[in-house]
Amino acid sequence: EAEVAQSPRYKITEKSQAVAFWCDPISGHATLYWYRQILGQGPELLVQFQDESVVDDSQLPKDRFSAERLKGVDSTLKIQPAELGDSAMYLCASSPDRRQAFFGQGTRLTVV
Amino acid sequence: QKEVEQDPGPLSVPEGAIVSLNCTYSNSAFQYFMWYRQYSRKGPELLMYTYSSGNKEDGRFTAQVDKSSKYISLFIRDSQPSDSATYLCAMGGGGADGLTFGKGTHLIIQP
Repeated sequence: EAEVAQSPRYKITEKSQAVAFWCDPISGHATLYWYRQILGQGPELLVQFQDESVVDDSQLPKDRFSAERLKGVDSTLKIQPAELGDSAMYLCASSPDRRQAFFGQGTRLTVV
Repeated sequence: QKEVEQDPGPLSVPEGAIVSLNCTYSNSAFQYFMWYRQYSRKGPELLMYTYSSGNKEDGRFTAQVDKSSKYISLFIRDSQPSDSATYLCAMGGGGADGLTFGKGTHLIIQP
């Protein structure tokens, strides 16, 4: 069964350090999303790609966050510098139709 | 008022009971609706996807959408302890790409 792959599963980093997350979507899915989920809340969209182009990054804190999907397949989300408030689950999802979203297992980030 | 309202629970029911989970929303432009199940420390798993008002059934799960009332429901029949998880409603097509999620309802099925 096709799955969205994410790594690492867990990451602990000190504040002010840089951190990066990787995502490999389901093969053939042109749409890729990065969401952030704070404990006890639903996921919130950070950025959406259609192939290699950014469709929506209005909720991405661009002073410290960046995302890329250079070849339109896998994607990287970076935070530099990390802050304590960035501790959350970072979820990648892909979609075949820009409607249904299929999620990976997420990266749980703890900033200390 | 948040766009999507969902009671966080916890909701505790005995094994075998019928479970009803609900969400209300304020954006009448939402066109498609989903239910996700999320186990602790895992990513959300898509359970049901609906595009119109009415009912959709898949095994023990039934999704119901009432666009006139801006209300969606998920029913789980013959609930099992393995159904214990957080259930997230999500909706899209409201003028922007991406999904808008509820907070999730924590469901506990007691053996």
